[in-house]
Amino acid sequence: AQSVTQLDSQVPVFEEAPVELRCNYSSSVSVYLFWYVQYPNQGLQLLLKYLSGSTLVKGINGFEAEFNKSQTSFHLRKPSVHISDTAEYFCAVSGRGGTSYGKLTFGQGTILTVHP
Amino acid sequence: DTAVSQTPKYLVTQMGNDKSIKCEQNLGHDTMYWYKQDSKKFLKIMFSYNNKELIINETVPNRFSPKSPDKAHLNLHINSLELGDSAVYFCASSPPGLAGGIAYEQYFGPGTRLTVT
Repeated sequence: AQSVTQLDSQVPVFEEAPVELRCNYSSSVSVYLFWYVQYPNQGLQLLLKYLSGSTLVKGINGFEAEFNKSQTSFHLRKPSVHISDTAEYFCAVSGRGGTSYGKLTFGQGTILTVHP
Repeated sequence: DTAVSQTPKYLVTQMGNDKSIKCEQNLGHDTMYWYKQDSKKFLKIMFSYNNKELIINETVPNRFSPKSPDKAHLNLHINSLELGDSAVYFCASSPPGLAGGIAYEQYFGPGTRLTVT
């Protein structure tokens, strides 16, 4: 089984400042990792994913995340945020194979609020 | 538009009623899912179908019954609705994996907000 902990429920930041949204996971098997964004009253949109290979992955809208296996983390970063980045961000994990294959386990979400 | 669509977008009903939510994807994906997002925004998987076959069935009351008439559709029927069923229900789909089987990323519909009064 997998679990995901997003360490901050809310992150306020000023426009053009850098931001990091933290995500830790636990799993008894190897995992795939994802970040999704949910704008108000909308569905979830995939920002980026880590499947294998380079531990630094780049996604849409200038976001990137780094997989750290020893720390079981997958933090999301953006060097300069915009007002339009205001949304809720979800970290998710899927186990590789077995009964967890294809099943996404989500964190509790982090609300990013970008202030002018 | 290629997408995952859900109907209705909003559903308000009384306790004890039976209701259905429909989901369709025209992305050509083999696997579809239902998730429940509660009032605290916590997302939890309920069911998954791969090529019309049930592959994930989490601990969900048997008042909830998914039905997949074909691999492009996954509907959710809920009997005897309760107040605790109020939530946003999301449908999602994912493409085949690189080596067959199930792929990794999922594409979500816009959600159906169910309110039980």
